[in-house]
Amino acid sequence: GQQLNQSPQSMFIQEGEDVSMNCTSSSIFNTWLWYKQDPGEGPVLLIALYKAGELTSNGRLTAQFGITRKDSFLNISASIPSDVGIYFCAGLFNNAGNMLTFGGGTRLMVKP
Amino acid sequence: GAGVSQSPSNKVTEKGKDVELRCDPISGHTALYWYRQSLGQGLEFLIYFQGNSAPDKSGLPSDRFSAERTGGSVSTLTIQRTQQEDSAVYLCASSLRGQGLRMVQYFGPGTRLTVT
Repeated sequence: GQQLNQSPQSMFIQEGEDVSMNCTSSSIFNTWLWYKQDPGEGPVLLIALYKAGELTSNGRLTAQFGITRKDSFLNISASIPSDVGIYFCAGLFNNAGNMLTFGGGTRLMVKP
Repeated sequence: GAGVSQSPSNKVTEKGKDVELRCDPISGHTALYWYRQSLGQGLEFLIYFQGNSAPDKSGLPSDRFSAERTGGSVSTLTIQRTQQEDSAVYLCASSLRGQGLRMVQYFGPGTRLTVT
């Protein structure tokens, strides 16, 4: 079945740094979504991408839907402490009944 | 408005017992999904309900897992004869039917299941 490879698996950030993470797929998707999950909570949608090549921003977050429809990246600029959490990419292929395929997550932590 | 709610938030059960997990979707959302998240992992699709259509059960890992959705709203995920490998966070999501933002899935806080 479809698989999403998300990298990096984890990273330490210092306040003010820019952060970048990406997902690649073995298959194409019609929609890419980026979620953030805080401890004890369900994932919360950050950005949704619907067209190949689309570049979308939400505040300090920017995400792009790759031209091949098999990849996406998420950038966070000027990180702040509340950016800590787990970020998941998710792909959706509409003919598959709208169920999401998730990447393994990128855990963002603050440098001590 | 109210988001997706799930109960219980935590459940500890002994191996071999049955458990029921409940999901209340956002009012008016016709689609409902169950996912499982093992520790430190991404989410794994389990089952999908859309309106009155037959559910898509393709993600259920074994016949010990079942789910129903009554009246097109509340859903219950049942795990029979629980095993230790069933320990995970079970997440429910709901969405509208349609294109673009209408199909975005909104998640509940999850039920953390621990099988001892």
